[in-house]
Amino acid sequence: GQNIDQPTEMTATEGAIVQINCTYQTSGFNGLFWYQQHAGEAPTFLSYNVLDGLEEKGRFSSFLSRSKGYSYLLLKELQMKDSASYLCAVSHTGTASKLTFGTGTRLQVTL
Amino acid sequence: DTEVTQTPKHLVMGMTNKKSLKCEQHMGHRAMYWYKQKAKKPPELMFVYSYEKLSINESVPSRFSPECPNSSLLNLHLHALQPEDSALYLCASSQVFETRINYEQYFGPGTRLTVT
Repeated sequence: GQNIDQPTEMTATEGAIVQINCTYQTSGFNGLFWYQQHAGEAPTFLSYNVLDGLEEKGRFSSFLSRSKGYSYLLLKELQMKDSASYLCAVSHTGTASKLTFGTGTRLQVTL
Repeated sequence: DTEVTQTPKHLVMGMTNKKSLKCEQHMGHRAMYWYKQKAKKPPELMFVYSYEKLSINESVPSRFSPECPNSSLLNLHLHALQPEDSALYLCASSQVFETRINYEQYFGPGTRLTVT
C-alpha cells in the first residue's frame, strides 16, 4: 500500500520562510514531485527530486531523503500569491508515469 | 504552447444522461491522464494513456469510459453516473515515462461535474 502524509494546513507571514513536509511509505519509489494548486485552478509543477539532496529553483527549494521516506518544500520570501495548496506526489517504478498525490497542505500567507 | 485545454468548464447531468469530457494538448506529449478531484482532496488517478493505448486503469467503474482518438485528444465518456461522482475532473499530459527519467505532468483547468 501507499501512505503519503502532509500537514493539512499551515499559516505564515508575508516575507517569511515556510517548510512544508511530506513523508511517504510506498513500494517502487521513482521520484517525488511538488505541485502548487490555487483554489479552483489546475495543479502546476514546482519541482522534482529523484536523488537525495536539495534542488533549488528561485524562491522554491525541495529536499529529498529516500532512506527516510521524507521530502520538504521550502518557500522563501513568501508573497500573498503563494497562498495555495501544495501537493507532493510520488512516482512509481514499472508504470507509465503513475503519480500518487499526498493529502495536500493548504498554506495561508498573512500580512 | 504549454497549455492543456478541457471542455466544458462546468457540466450538470442527470443520472440517466450520457455526456463526454474533452481534453486537448499540442505539446507533442504521448502520455495523457484523467484524474478525479473531490473538494479539499488531492487528485486521484483514474486512467493513463501511453502512445494512445490505455496503460493504467485504476479500477475505475465502467460508467467512466476513456478514449484516446489521437495523440492530441483525450475523451472521458460518462454514462449512468451517481451523485457521488460529482467532482473536478482533471486532464494532464506529459512526455512518456522512460527508465530513470520522469517528466512533469501539465494539467488542464478541469471540468467541474455535478450529477443530479
